[in-house]
Amino acid sequence: ILNVEQSPQSLHVQEGDSTNFTCSFPSSNFYALHWYRWETAKSPEALFVMTLNGDEKKKGRISATLNTKEGYSYLYIKGSQPEDSATYLCALIQGAQKLVFGQGTRLTINP
Amino acid sequence: GAVVSQHPSRVICKSGTSVKIECRSLDFQATTMFWYRQFPKKSLMLMATSNEGSKATYEQGVEKDKFLINHASLTLSTLTVTSAHPEDSSFYICSATDGPLGGYTFGSGTRLTVV
Repeated sequence: ILNVEQSPQSLHVQEGDSTNFTCSFPSSNFYALHWYRWETAKSPEALFVMTLNGDEKKKGRISATLNTKEGYSYLYIKGSQPEDSATYLCALIQGAQKLVFGQGTRLTINP
Repeated sequence: GAVVSQHPSRVICKSGTSVKIECRSLDFQATTMFWYRQFPKKSLMLMATSNEGSKATYEQGVEKDKFLINHASLTLSTLTVTSAHPEDSSFYICSATDGPLGGYTFGSGTRLTVV
């Protein structure tokens, strides 16, 4: 069974500070990794799809990197704002288009 | 962008009754729909995969007779929790894709409480 781990499980950050968190996964048989942002009572929103070792992707103040050889991806948020408060999920593609999710990192930005 | 509408968002039902949850893709054709379940402080766990017009494929440990999935059209999939019990209380969420190269669009989830 594919095991995807996210750390930390929760994080409190002061507004304006930068932060990052980790998604770890088995490095063998990698196909693609997805990052989602999930606000309470809303649908998870796709942030990035990462496929190649060394990938770096950016969307505004949020960026992500991927290391498939060592089995991890980092998500960075620069200059955190209250609207960044959400749960951030990573998921790996397994066979037949299935997504295997980590537990998520719950981020709270303190004003 | 692609939208999946999931209803209801919350439902409370009595033990022994059945509950139906609907997911509709509003502006695209969902060839494949995935149903997930999430227990508190746990990951989203895939329950089943359904392709339009075909029987759903259930993950190991998921009772197909308890969690009935119907994907009769390219825009609608339903999950029916039959003879619900308190241990079925959970958060259920669907996601849809329009093909192997498509992205995944999620519903907003359903909080089921069985009393």
